[in-house]
Amino acid sequence: EAEVAQSPRYKITEKSQAVAFWCDPISGHATLYWYRQILGQGPELLVQFQDESVVDDSQLPKDRFSAERLKGVDSTLKIQPAELGDSAMYLCASSLVRTSGATDTQYFGPGTRLTVL
Amino acid sequence: KNEVEQSPQNLTAQEGEFITINCSYSVGISALHWLQQHPGGGIVSLFMLSSGKKKHGRLIATINIQEKHSSLHITASHPRDSAVYICAVRSYNTDKLIFGTGTRLQVFP
Repeated sequence: EAEVAQSPRYKITEKSQAVAFWCDPISGHATLYWYRQILGQGPELLVQFQDESVVDDSQLPKDRFSAERLKGVDSTLKIQPAELGDSAMYLCASSLVRTSGATDTQYFGPGTRLTVL
Repeated sequence: KNEVEQSPQNLTAQEGEFITINCSYSVGISALHWLQQHPGGGIVSLFMLSSGKKKHGRLIATINIQEKHSSLHITASHPRDSAVYICAVRSYNTDKLIFGTGTRLQVFP
C-alpha cells in the first residue's frame, strides 16, 4: 500500500541552527500539506501545495520557515534559525485531487519529531 | 473557545468495553473526519462524514449536522485500540481542516 514518506523521523538540534524536513507524497497526489503538532494539541496547517504552487501559507512563520515543492512531487520544509518553541511533530500529508465543493481523504506520513535544545 | 471541542480529553477502559468519544464544532462544515494517532506519531484516517452514520469493523461514526455534533464509538474495545483519536472538520467558508485536540484512549487487558 502506498504511503507518505518523511525523513528524518527524529531530529535534535540546538537553537539558531538550521533544520530541514523532507516529504515524499503518495504517487499521483497533487495536494501536499505540512502540519505542525505541538504536544497535546491537534495539528495546525503550516502550508498547502497544489502541485508546485503554494495555495495557503497564511500560518507559516515566514521569517524563519520556508517550504518548497519544486517539481510538484516531493517537498522540503526548512526552519532557519530554529527556536525553542519550534519543538513539535511536523507532519506531512497528501491527497489525490480536490475539486470545488468536494473533499477527499488526506494520507499522513509518520512525522518528524523535532527537539530544539 | 476552540472551534472543535472533543470530550473526554482522556479515557481509560477495560478490554471489551463500549467506548464513545464526542466532538462538537461551531463552524459550518463540508465534512468531518475522525483520525487515529498512535504513539509513534503517524495519523490514520478512520472516517470522513458529511451526514448520517458510517461503520467499519468495530468502529462506528455518527454525525448530527443540525446539532453540530459527532460521535465515534468503539465496540468490544481492545488494547490495540489505545491511541489518540482526533476529530477534524473542513470549514465550509475557509475550506481548511480544523483539528480538535484529541482524546487519549487507553484500553487495559
